[in-house]
Amino acid sequence: DAGVIQSPRHEVTEMGQEVTLRCKPISGHDYLFWYRQTMMRGLELLIYFNNNVPIDDSGMPEDRFSAKMPNASFSTLKIQPSEPRDSAVYFCASTHGGTGDEQYFGPGTRLTVT
Amino acid sequence: GENVEQHPSTLSVQEGDSAVIKCTYSDSASNYFPWYKQELGKRPQLIIDIRSNVGEKKDQRIAVTLNKTAKHFSLHITETQPEDSAVYFCAASRGIYNQGGKLIFGQGTELSVKP
Repeated sequence: DAGVIQSPRHEVTEMGQEVTLRCKPISGHDYLFWYRQTMMRGLELLIYFNNNVPIDDSGMPEDRFSAKMPNASFSTLKIQPSEPRDSAVYFCASTHGGTGDEQYFGPGTRLTVT
Repeated sequence: GENVEQHPSTLSVQEGDSAVIKCTYSDSASNYFPWYKQELGKRPQLIIDIRSNVGEKKDQRIAVTLNKTAKHFSLHITETQPEDSAVYFCAASRGIYNQGGKLIFGQGTELSVKP
C-alpha cells in the first residue's frame, strides 16, 4: 500500500484566497483524521470521520474551515478565506477501527499564507 | 479539557547514554498511549505504544512504562545513537471505540544525540 497520500505537499497563497487540501487514506481504513501542526500549538486534531461521516469537528478553529469526505478514499480540508495565521503543516491520518488504534500519518501539506 | 503534559521540551545526551521523556495525562478514561518520532520536515511515525492493561513494553532499545494510578507514562531510549535525534511526541486516547481514537498530543521533546 502507498500509505496515506496528501496533496499538495506545499501550498503558498495570498491572504483571502481559498485553499483546498486533499487526502487519500489507506485503502480499507474507516477512520480519517485531520491534524494541524504549528510551533505555538503543537499537533492538534481538527476533525475526524468514521465511515465518511464527520464525528467530531470541535477542533476546527472557525467557520472559515470546512472538511468533507465524499467517499471512503478521499477527503478535503478547505480554508476560505485564508489568513496568515493559518500557516501550518496539515496532516491527514487514517486507521482501521477493527485492527487497533495506530494512526498512520500522511506526509503533510505545508501551507504558507502571505 | 483533556491535556497531555510532556517534559523536557529539549534533551541533549551523548551517544551511548540513555534518554528519558515523561508525560502526564489528565483524562482518566485514556487507555492507549502511543509515542511518535518526527524528523525534521517529515511525518510523525509511531515508534512504540502501550495500552492501559500493560505496565511496560520494550522493543529493542526503546521501552515505555505506564503508571495508571499516577496518570503518567515515560519513554526510555537506551544506547542512544545520532539517528535517534528528532522530536518525540507522546499522546493519549480513549481508544478507537471511544471518541474514535482521538489523540491528544504532548508538546514534544527535541532530542539531540551528540556523537
